[in-house]
Amino acid sequence: GENVEQHPSTLSVQEGDSAVIKCTYSDSASNYFPWYKQELGKGPQLIIDIRSNVGEKKDQRIAVTLNKTAKHFSLHITETQPEDSAVYFCAASASGTYKYIFGTGTRLKVLA
Amino acid sequence: GAVVSQHPSWVICKSGTSVKIECRSLDFQATTMFWYRQFPKQSLMLMATSNEGSKATYEQGVEKDKFLINHASLTLSTLTVTSAHPEDSSFYICSAIPGTSGSGTQYFGPGTRLLVL
Repeated sequence: GENVEQHPSTLSVQEGDSAVIKCTYSDSASNYFPWYKQELGKGPQLIIDIRSNVGEKKDQRIAVTLNKTAKHFSLHITETQPEDSAVYFCAASASGTYKYIFGTGTRLKVLA
Repeated sequence: GAVVSQHPSWVICKSGTSVKIECRSLDFQATTMFWYRQFPKQSLMLMATSNEGSKATYEQGVEKDKFLINHASLTLSTLTVTSAHPEDSSFYICSAIPGTSGSGTQYFGPGTRLLVL
């Protein structure tokens, strides 16, 4: 069945450095790719998303890139801050459906 | 915008009792809502899709008679865990999609932590 692989499972970076999280999806019909940040004990919060007709999207320190041919999409966080520490989930959804296939999550730790 | 609330935020109950969790979209209407379950340090597991005015669609392996879902209005879906047992203890999260298209961005609630003693 469809699945989304996410790497790495944990990531530690120094404050100010960049962090990159990568996801690979299997369903070629996927055309919507959101990223969520989940802090401990809270629900996931949408931080950025991208649709298949766009290769890159940026919002301040956060950017997402999409390679449809390779079925890869990545989250880039620049100038990381301690408050960026959380678990990040990628997801993929296909047109005409509304279900997400979630990645397994990446625990990001930003060291001050 | 796109705020989803859940109530209660946490609940402790005795084994054998039933617990109801509410999910509300506060500033938008949602034909479709979802219920997820999340175990510690794991990803979100979709339990069921809740559609306003119709029966919920359950994922494979989820007992529909145990996890009752009612989506009675465009802003409210409820999940009732019937005859709860300790293995039902978990973090339950709902999400909602704005509008009536049934596709698009999911906005998540803050979650409900259930502990069954």
